[in-house]
Amino acid sequence: GNSVTQMEGPVTLSEEAFLTINCTYTATGYPSLFWYVQYPGEGLQLLLKATKADDKGSNKGFEATYRKETTSFHLEKGSVQVSDSAVYFCARMNSGGYQKVTFGIGTKLQVIP
Amino acid sequence: GAVVSQHPSRVICKSGTSVKIECRSLDFQATTMFWYRQFPKQSLMLMATSNEGSKATYEQGVEKDKFLINHASLTLSTLTVTSAHPEDSSFYICSAITSLGNEQFFGPGTRLTVL
Repeated sequence: GNSVTQMEGPVTLSEEAFLTINCTYTATGYPSLFWYVQYPGEGLQLLLKATKADDKGSNKGFEATYRKETTSFHLEKGSVQVSDSAVYFCARMNSGGYQKVTFGIGTKLQVIP
Repeated sequence: GAVVSQHPSRVICKSGTSVKIECRSLDFQATTMFWYRQFPKQSLMLMATSNEGSKATYEQGVEKDKFLINHASLTLSTLTVTSAHPEDSSFYICSAITSLGNEQFFGPGTRLTVL
């Protein structure tokens, strides 16, 4: 079935460090890929998305590229801030509309000053 | 962007009582809404898919008689946890899909604590 594999955290970084959170997905169909962020005590917010191979999603300094050859959608940010501390979820949804979203386990990021 | 609200944001109830959680799409019509459950330090688990005007589709292992879902209009879906027990304590999140069907918008979640 459809699945998303995401690196387990927690990830602890110093402010201004480079961030990578790995994510791979099952290649069934032509999925859209997403990164969601969840701040403490809150629901999920869409961070970025990509709908086809080689697309790059970006938002708030975060980037992820849809890599079909490696079935990956790694999240990167060049310089993290304390305010980026949150849980990040990688997710996939098959194309065709009204499809279920499959989430990764989530990676907790803690950025220290 | 599209906004989804949930009410209440927090609820504490006694064991054996029922709790209703509302999910509303504020600025768009949602023919399909989803209900998720999230345990501490875990990912979201899809409980059911709610379609306006029809019965919800439950995921394997989710008791439909315990988690009643009603999607009476294009902007409102409700989840009722019947005869709640402490093990039902969790974070419940809903989401809604726009007519394009290519993105889900999530509500802020409801923290349920059953004493």
